[in-house]
Amino acid sequence: DVKVTQSSRYLVKRTGEKVFLECVQDMDHENMFWYRQDPGLGLRLIYFSYDVKMKEKGDIPEGYSVSREKKERFSLILESASTNQTSMYLCASSLKGGAYGYTFGSGTRLTVV
Amino acid sequence: AQKVTQAQTEISVVEKEDVTLDCVYETRDTTYYLFWYKQPPSGELVFLIRRNSFDEQNEISGRYSWNFQKSTSSFNFTITASQVVDSAVYFCALSEIENYGQNFVFGPGTRLSVLP
Repeated sequence: DVKVTQSSRYLVKRTGEKVFLECVQDMDHENMFWYRQDPGLGLRLIYFSYDVKMKEKGDIPEGYSVSREKKERFSLILESASTNQTSMYLCASSLKGGAYGYTFGSGTRLTVV
Repeated sequence: AQKVTQAQTEISVVEKEDVTLDCVYETRDTTYYLFWYKQPPSGELVFLIRRNSFDEQNEISGRYSWNFQKSTSSFNFTITASQVVDSAVYFCALSEIENYGQNFVFGPGTRLSVLP
């Protein structure tokens, strides 16, 4: 069964900590995405990558960075976590091109205290 | 610019009722894809259907059916004889044909509660 796996389901971090959210896919997809989901705001794109070592800013990149050293892995980094980054984070992947839907991971619920 | 509107924020129905979730989209492209995803309480978004802009045939899959009308830019989703397990947030999404597929726009979602 093809999968997008996010390393943690729940995470609690302190303000100011550096936080790594990991995402791995086993479908050989070119594209990978990080979204955050907040009540009333829907899904907002943070960063995406369409190739190894490539990254593009989404709608809300401030306070985040990403790393894609291998095709199957896309990491989201919170350089200095803040309470307003408490959210559900969803990773997704897809084949190249707009014709293909996304496959999502099960999400990481991050709480910054 | 692309946009997806799901006017219904929340819907509650009683089990066995039929329910329709509305989706209206905006795009300047003639070639595009529309999707529906389901997000149950567990959190993972699950793909339900993909429809391309050249195929206006309605589709039925079990209790689920989709009505695509280009004339009104709508792609509505109907659940027949709803069940408690249908309780979830449902997202409609639009994708234009771009090289890297980043033009994938989600609607705000509709939270469906099916009461026993």
